[in-house]
Formats: sequence, structure tokens, C-alpha cells
Amino acid sequence: SQQGEEDPQALSIQEGENATMNCSYKTSINNLQWYRQNSGRGLVHLILIRSNEREKHSGRLRVTLDTSKKSSSLLITASRAADTASYFCATDAFYSSASKIIFGSGTRLSIRP
Amino acid sequence: DAGVIQSPRHEVTEMGQEVTLRCKPISGHNSLFWYRQTMMRGLELLIYFNNNVPIDDSGMPEDRFSAKMPNASFSTLKIQPSEPRDSAVYFCASSLMGQGNTEAFFGQGTRLTVV
Repeated sequence: SQQGEEDPQALSIQEGENATMNCSYKTSINNLQWYRQNSGRGLVHLILIRSNEREKHSGRLRVTLDTSKKSSSLLITASRAADTASYFCATDAFYSSASKIIFGSGTRLSIRP
Repeated sequence: DAGVIQSPRHEVTEMGQEVTLRCKPISGHNSLFWYRQTMMRGLELLIYFNNNVPIDDSGMPEDRFSAKMPNASFSTLKIQPSEPRDSAVYFCASSLMGQGNTEAFFGQGTRLTVV
């Protein structure tokens, strides 16, 4: 079963606007990660936030984590056409004798020129 | 490093045939994951290995699916016999777990079509 659920499932915005995607998860985690997937390609890691962190920045990306609500958000500022892709959150939680990475359902982001 | 390498990139097979997908993880990584991606079910974790040992295969859909990791540099996912509903993109990913940074590196995937 999937650990994370993203919303919205799809988002279309104008180039230059900010895009915000949300992720909710179910169990305690070690960290939460965001990945990007271009059509027909593998996933690429964007940013990781640890369970004891509340906010993290990387370039035009800003991630927040609220462990009390089991939720995270990814903000992409000043969006560009090249940001068009699917974005997934993934949680790293300790199961059995090792950690495993579980992905959410993803948000399809379209940037209109 | 060339990253995670999967082969083949595309596979078309007839229902009932055996299919073997291959993965070479990044050298030095200690964890390997097999995922399946479909429009309906999204990205599902099938099985993962830590230090070549299968840790959790609860995501493997049926006994028709099996995965092995005979050494640190190679893993296979086998479907026998294959069915049309197995059509999907299968991704392999590797990671260096236990170091605080659990970023997963993905291969380009194998697009499987069972007709």
C-alpha cells in the first residue's frame, strides 16, 4: 500500500507563478523526500528533509514538514516550462530490519507558457 | 559512475512467456529496490534488498514474480508466466542506506508490454 498521498493530482499554472504540492503520509518516518519524473524517464531526487527539520530550501524549491500532521509541502517558485513533470513525495521509514522508500501517488504539474 | 543500469529498456512478449528484467545498482550502494509504475496504481514497491538480502517482498503481486540479488552488483526480476496485466514500467533503484541520506537513484526503467 502507498504511504504517501499527494494533492492535487494535477496542477496547471502559468509560467512565472508559484506551484505548491502537498503530501500526506501515514506512519512515523525518518525523512521525507521529493522526486521529479519527466515523461518516460526515471525519478530524480530533488530534496530530502529529515524528521527533525521543519523547512528546507534548495534553489527555487522550498519544502516544509509537519510531523504532527504527517504532511509535507513542496513549493516551486517562479515556475518555468521546464518544470513540467510529475512530482512525488517519498517517505523513508524503518520496517523490519531495514528502511524502505515508499512513494506517493504524485502530482502532475503543467506549466503554461 | 554510470548510475543504475537497467536492461532491456523495452520488452514486448507474449502472454505466458517468461520475462527477466535486469538491474545493475550503483557501486557501493547497499540497498536495491524494484518498483512497478502504472497509470492505475502509481509507483508500487515490489521488493527491496539490503546487503543482497531480500528484506520485504510483500509488494510482489503473485507467485509468478520472483527477484534475486546474487551479488552486490546485479539483480533480476522475473515474471513467469507473464500476463497482459503485468504490462507496466519497472524501475530499479539503489541507495546507500544507514548514512542519514537515503536518496534513491533510479534507472531509466524497463517498459514491459505483454500481449
